[in-house]
Amino acid sequence: EPEVTQTPSHQVTQMGQEVILRCVPISNHLYFYWYRQILGQKVEFLVSFYNNEISEKSEIFDDQFSVERPDGSNFTLKIRSTKLEDSAMYFCASSEAKGPYGYTFGSGTRLTVV
Amino acid sequence: TQLLEQSPQFLSIQEGENLTVYCNSSSVFSSLQWYRQEPGEGPVLLVTVVTGGEVKKLKRLTFQFGDARKDSSLHITAAQPGDTGLYLCAGRGTSGTYKYIFGTGTRLKVLA
Repeated sequence: EPEVTQTPSHQVTQMGQEVILRCVPISNHLYFYWYRQILGQKVEFLVSFYNNEISEKSEIFDDQFSVERPDGSNFTLKIRSTKLEDSAMYFCASSEAKGPYGYTFGSGTRLTVV
Repeated sequence: TQLLEQSPQFLSIQEGENLTVYCNSSSVFSSLQWYRQEPGEGPVLLVTVVTGGEVKKLKRLTFQFGDARKDSSLHITAAQPGDTGLYLCAGRGTSGTYKYIFGTGTRLKVLA
């Protein structure tokens, strides 16, 4: 069964530092997403990415956040200057098309900002 | 802002019992999905429903999309301990959006 791979599984960083979370989506998928889940809270949409550009983003996805597909396989989320409130599980997902197709989620990266 | 409310928030039942989880909104969705999430893992897709009134079955799980496409239910027959987990509904709006909005979740525990 194809899967979405995320690295690292855990990341601890100091407040103000930059972090890059990495994802390898399923190879024939065209749409890529980042979601986050603060402990005990809902899964929240951050951004969607298609055809090498952001197709939609939420209010959470401010100037501190950026996404990139640097090569044909990786999809990254960068947080430029982390804040304590950025601590969360970050999930990458991909889907083969825009319609009512289910996402395949990765196992997530637990980011802890200290 | 689209919101999806799930009820109940928590449910603890004995093995063999039936249960229904509800997902409600005042917004219309073009499609709705149900996921199950284990601790420390990402959500795993169970089903996608698209048509108002649609019913889908996945073994002992029955999913229904409301006629007006504003609500959905998940019914589990003869629950087993392996059904324990966090059940999430997620809806996609009708405005051509890419994103799914997730519900508040129902945490189910099935006791042996």
